[in-house]
Amino acid sequence: DAKTTQPTSMDCAEGRAANLPCNHSTISGNEYVYWYRQIHSQGPQYIIHGLKNNETNEMASLIITEDRKSSTLILPHATLRDTAVYYCIVRVFQTGANNLFFGTGTRLTVIP
Amino acid sequence: DAGVIQSPRHEVTEMGQEVTLRCKPISGHDYLFWYRQTMMRGLELLIYFNNNVPIDDSGMPEDRFSAKMPNASFSTLKIQPSEPRDSAVYFCASSLNRGVETQYFGPGTRLLVL
Repeated sequence: DAKTTQPTSMDCAEGRAANLPCNHSTISGNEYVYWYRQIHSQGPQYIIHGLKNNETNEMASLIITEDRKSSTLILPHATLRDTAVYYCIVRVFQTGANNLFFGTGTRLTVIP
Repeated sequence: DAGVIQSPRHEVTEMGQEVTLRCKPISGHDYLFWYRQTMMRGLELLIYFNNNVPIDDSGMPEDRFSAKMPNASFSTLKIQPSEPRDSAVYFCASSLNRGVETQYFGPGTRLLVL
């Protein structure tokens, strides 16, 4: 699985969009970008994933650059409940080893 | 559904003691995963099962760790003997199929080995 690089921490004002970057310059053609988050004292929670097209669901949007070497997770209207550690993971979808390797992620703090 | 259930939620033990962590996956899920999380190393996959059979245990740190899944509704992770460096939060997750996005995590067990 490709290595990812994320900023250690970020702040965002409540109600504003939170843009969380992730670099994955060694991503290969069949690897997807996944985002998970972990709220304090809880288990990780899946957010979204994509291959090369931008994706949107009820939680967030995922913007992947054309060369696929980086991506941005967008929380359009951050709330205090979005304060969490956000993990960007790059891996092949549905391989025989169905596992997740998390790094240290980005600690997002939403400020009132 | 109650989601993935883990017990105990907190465990404090002394070095050398045996520790057993328990997990009940979501009913009908074919995959079960054990993860360990620390500040230094983040979240690491230890082992995962498919239909109660261990598939990949390459993440298990050493022989002191063992995991079993005697049936589809129960799994254990055992540490014997425990050491202070085993202190971490241990998560269990289950998945209906191979899709990564369908992994559901339990609340975790916070283990402290003194």
